[in-house]
Amino acid sequence: KAGVTQTPRYLIKTRGQQVTLSCSPISGHRSVSWYQQTPGQGLQFLFEYFSETQRNKGNFPGRFSGRQFSNSRSEMNVSTLELGDSALYLCASSLVGHSNTGELFFGEGSRLTVL
Amino acid sequence: AQSVSQHNHHVILSEAASLELGCNYSYGGTVNLFWYVQYPGQHLQLLLKYFSGDPLVKGIKGFEAEFIKSKFSFNLRKPSVQWSDTAEYFCAAENAGNNRKLIWGLGTSLAVNP
Repeated sequence: KAGVTQTPRYLIKTRGQQVTLSCSPISGHRSVSWYQQTPGQGLQFLFEYFSETQRNKGNFPGRFSGRQFSNSRSEMNVSTLELGDSALYLCASSLVGHSNTGELFFGEGSRLTVL
Repeated sequence: AQSVSQHNHHVILSEAASLELGCNYSYGGTVNLFWYVQYPGQHLQLLLKYFSGDPLVKGIKGFEAEFIKSKFSFNLRKPSVQWSDTAEYFCAAENAGNNRKLIWGLGTSLAVNP
């Protein structure tokens, strides 16, 4: 069974640009969550999608957005990149949402560097 | 604000030593609690979870955690660590009511010397 796949794994952008990250969940999983991981702040919740609807949202500015497609694949977009957006962006999938199963399955992350 | 605190950022142990990693949360009400582990070069994976019932929870690889409501704690323990336990350990908590969001601790890096 394939795991959670995130693309691209590494990318470098400059301030002001935008970036789109992609996540393919485990087959059959309908919930996809996104997290930002930095050394100073740890893991911070961005948003969760379930059946193409945003079910929950963290405390990030509107520059951070996401969506989920009918096949449960998800994308997140960050516009007008800032230096502080440099981080590892993690995607996690679960069958119906972590609150019900208690388990998130994580991808390896997309490491974004903003210069 | 809701938060999760992990007391130790870096822990170094010798094989066969006992392990206890502290985790405290600042939620009121009913909480769900989790420990995740990230082995070197691998992705995060669930170690154990507590939703309700027996406050002593058993996880994979001989790990256990005890939920102590009065202390708002969910410490992770293992009686005898192995070199293969070298990893980053994350505690996480969520409000068991509506609008659930997982709040994560900053992680504890464990190095086990052979």
